[in-house]
Amino acid sequence: GAGVSQSPSNKVTEKGKDVELRCDPISGHTALYWYRQSLGQGLEFLIYFQGNSAPDKSGLPSDRFSAERTGGSVSTLTIQRTQQEDSAVYLCASTNKGAGGSAYEQYFGPGTRLTVT
Amino acid sequence: RKEVEQDPGPFNVPEGATVAFNCTYSNSASQSFFWYRQDCRKEPKLLMSVYSSGNEDGRFTAQLNRASQYISLLIRDSKLSDSATYLCVARPGGGSNYKLTFGKGTLLTVNP
Repeated sequence: GAGVSQSPSNKVTEKGKDVELRCDPISGHTALYWYRQSLGQGLEFLIYFQGNSAPDKSGLPSDRFSAERTGGSVSTLTIQRTQQEDSAVYLCASTNKGAGGSAYEQYFGPGTRLTVT
Repeated sequence: RKEVEQDPGPFNVPEGATVAFNCTYSNSASQSFFWYRQDCRKEPKLLMSVYSSGNEDGRFTAQLNRASQYISLLIRDSKLSDSATYLCVARPGGGSNYKLTFGKGTLLTVNP
């Protein structure tokens, strides 16, 4: 079946502009994550959605970052007033929490490479 | 101290070599551990879970030492296609058990 998809694959934007990144999780997966990966760095947790529960936003680096997940499926990550330090690959992952066994295998999308000039 | 630490490498080995990666974690409450593989400019993919008794999947062997808070990955008979970054991952127990912590990764290059 289809995996996690993300769009756009690449985004170049000017400092100060807003950007919106989209994630389509695997159908039926109840949990969705956003991560950020900067060059030479590990994956940095940003936000977690699980079903209808309140999201865990503890990883969002500033109030310029926000995310929503509509209808328990598609998610968008919005970065307002982008800064050069926001340049990174933004990865989305989904998982079918509660499935047992491999419940914590996270399936990643190909990412959005954001460059802020 | 970072929660999950790995030797960043790079490890350069010839085809057929055996190579081992180590990883340490600081959160003693961590419950589960994984190795993910990330090819250059690609997304991470699960390679294998790590069980307390150690586990093997073909050429790959993972081991966990809870007393030392140490995880290892051994790759035997390295192939060119094994070239990638290997990410060590820990999952806590309790209410935050959804929150995986990723190490920065160890870069492996297998040379012909």
